[in-house]
Amino acid sequence: GGIITQTPKFLIGQEGQKLTLKCQQNFNHDTMYWYRQDSGKGLRLIYYSITENDLQKGDLSEGYDASREKKSSFSLTVTSAQKNEMAVFLCASSLNTEVFFGKGTRLTVV
Amino acid sequence: QQKVQQSPESLIVPEGGMASLNCTSSDRNVDYFWWYRQHSGKSPKMLMSIFSNGEKEEGRFTVHLNKASLHTSLHIRDSQPSDSALYLCAASASSGSWQLIFGSGTQLTVMP
Repeated sequence: GGIITQTPKFLIGQEGQKLTLKCQQNFNHDTMYWYRQDSGKGLRLIYYSITENDLQKGDLSEGYDASREKKSSFSLTVTSAQKNEMAVFLCASSLNTEVFFGKGTRLTVV
Repeated sequence: QQKVQQSPESLIVPEGGMASLNCTSSDRNVDYFWWYRQHSGKSPKMLMSIFSNGEKEEGRFTVHLNKASLHTSLHIRDSQPSDSALYLCAASASSGSWQLIFGSGTQLTVMP
């Protein structure tokens, strides 16, 4: 079986800081996703990518950039962290009909 | 307006009872639905998927899909305290770019 690895697990940033979250998968899946989840809420799509070097915006893309330089990796950048922001960022990958998630990066902005 | 809407927001059922959760998509291109379960502090894990009209059963879990109304429902019979979790519905269009959109979830609590 494969695995999705997200780094770091916890990220503390300062207001205005540019922060990068990384995701690696060894499923050899084509499609990868970044979601944001606020406490007890659903998942909101930030960016997704259907192949290497492809980027598609989700509904929540403003304030974020993404990069898919290799099929196995997908990174997300928070361009300017907002004070008191707290959320979990989940990376996922899929091959058509099943989606697998990483364990998430928990972001806190002080 | 959210493209995938779930109801109710929260649900409390007694142990051994039936839990029924609903999900509707407002995007007419959608034809694939998934149900995910997320325990507190964990990542979502896929429970069931459904792509054809009708019903699909796996153990205590049954999923229905009505493609005409873009409505799916998840029913959990003989609910257990370990079923307490956030249940997320997701939808995608097979003809499109595989954008996977989630609803806001239903928080299920099963009382012992």
